[in-house]
Amino acid sequence: DPKIIQKPKYLVAVTGSEKILICEQYLGHNAMYWYRQSAKKPLEFMFSYSYQKLMDNQTASSRFQPQSSKKNHLDLQITALKPDDSATYFCASSQERTGPNERLFFGHGTKLSVL
Amino acid sequence: GDSVTQTEGLVTLTEGLPVMLNCTYQSTYSPFLFWYVQHLNEAPKLLLKSFTDNKRPEHQGFHATLHKSSSSFHLQKSSAQLSDSALYYCALSDCYGSSGNKLIFGIGTLLSVKP
Repeated sequence: DPKIIQKPKYLVAVTGSEKILICEQYLGHNAMYWYRQSAKKPLEFMFSYSYQKLMDNQTASSRFQPQSSKKNHLDLQITALKPDDSATYFCASSQERTGPNERLFFGHGTKLSVL
Repeated sequence: GDSVTQTEGLVTLTEGLPVMLNCTYQSTYSPFLFWYVQHLNEAPKLLLKSFTDNKRPEHQGFHATLHKSSSSFHLQKSSAQLSDSALYYCALSDCYGSSGNKLIFGIGTLLSVKP
């Protein structure tokens, strides 16, 4: 059984629209993250949360807003979608914030295509 | 800033031959290095991580040695198996430097093992 559930698996959106990517983890972890992988680029860190508080934000655009309604949830709201936002978005978690001894567990990703 | 460079693109091997996937890094401090593996239609998962005491981590026949002199953490296996076909990511964590508490990933190397 997957321990980190991302919904939906595939998502097609039109330019200018808004979408929410869902992430739930059932590992009892205290830290959650969002990473993005665009075509021909590395996995790119976006956000980290610890105990439902934003710890690090490496996303320049305010169009990307993480939302944590529960400790094991970290959704990602994206507004005013652009074709450049097309990517696979991975949710991840770790027992505590990423550090030398922390192992990240990833979800399967949501593949977003913006037309 | 911190960065990770991997063998780009596709590496194709015949089953039974040795595997070596290159990973070099740039970091102001002394980072910890990781290898993550993503099989088709699965989530990325941790394969190996470097130790602080220069021990060589091993898992599923894979090993990697952190060489600070050459800033490298190459992934090796003596004999490739068909099931090793996957996307391999090298990543670093430098919680004392500019990377803060997040992982910096390389672009990933796709390993294809043929019979």
